[in-house]
Amino acid sequence: GENVEQHPSTLSVQEGDSAVIKCTYSDSASNYFPWYKQELGKRPQLIIDIRSNVGEKKDQRIAVTLNKTAKHFSLHITETQPEDSAVYFCAATSSYNTDKLIFGTGTRLQVFP
Amino acid sequence: DAGVIQSPRHEVTEMGQEVTLRCKPISGHDYLFWYRQTMMRGLELLIYFNNNVPIDDSGMPEDRFSAKMPNASFSTLKIQPSEPRDSAVYFCASSLAGSYEQYFGPGTRLTVT
Repeated sequence: GENVEQHPSTLSVQEGDSAVIKCTYSDSASNYFPWYKQELGKRPQLIIDIRSNVGEKKDQRIAVTLNKTAKHFSLHITETQPEDSAVYFCAATSSYNTDKLIFGTGTRLQVFP
Repeated sequence: DAGVIQSPRHEVTEMGQEVTLRCKPISGHDYLFWYRQTMMRGLELLIYFNNNVPIDDSGMPEDRFSAKMPNASFSTLKIQPSEPRDSAVYFCASSLAGSYEQYFGPGTRLTVT
């Protein structure tokens, strides 16, 4: 069945260090891979996404890489700041219903000053 | 744009009572999604609509849950009768056909005692 696995479940880093979160997906027909950030008590918010025809995308301190052959994609945050502390979710489109997103289980990132 | 609007923001009810959650999607968006978020199960898709028509309701936990979208600007999720295990945050999200980007509402925190 459709599945998105996300690792690690928790991640603690020192301010200024980099953080990497990885996801793997099961459906080779998935073609859109967004990342959402959810602060405590708030809604998930889209921070970056990548489509299957691109291998890497960058927006200031965040970047996403996609390896279609291996069916995995990663979120990279450089020069982390305390305000980056949140839960991050990856997702992938479903080939069965292409407008549906399959979400990973989330990574709780803590950035210590 | 006001974004996705949900009401109420908080709902506390007793077991056995009927609960109705409301959502107004972003104007012009074709898709509307209902999610449930709990610590144990993460972010689960319950049902989604395209042009007011339910497309996939395979995530609806049981017959106590029902959802409607009578027009392009309004949807409801009803639980009847409610049970303590329904306690969760319920999010509504909307997207534009072809973009895949889902925008979440602020959520309704439901507590069933």
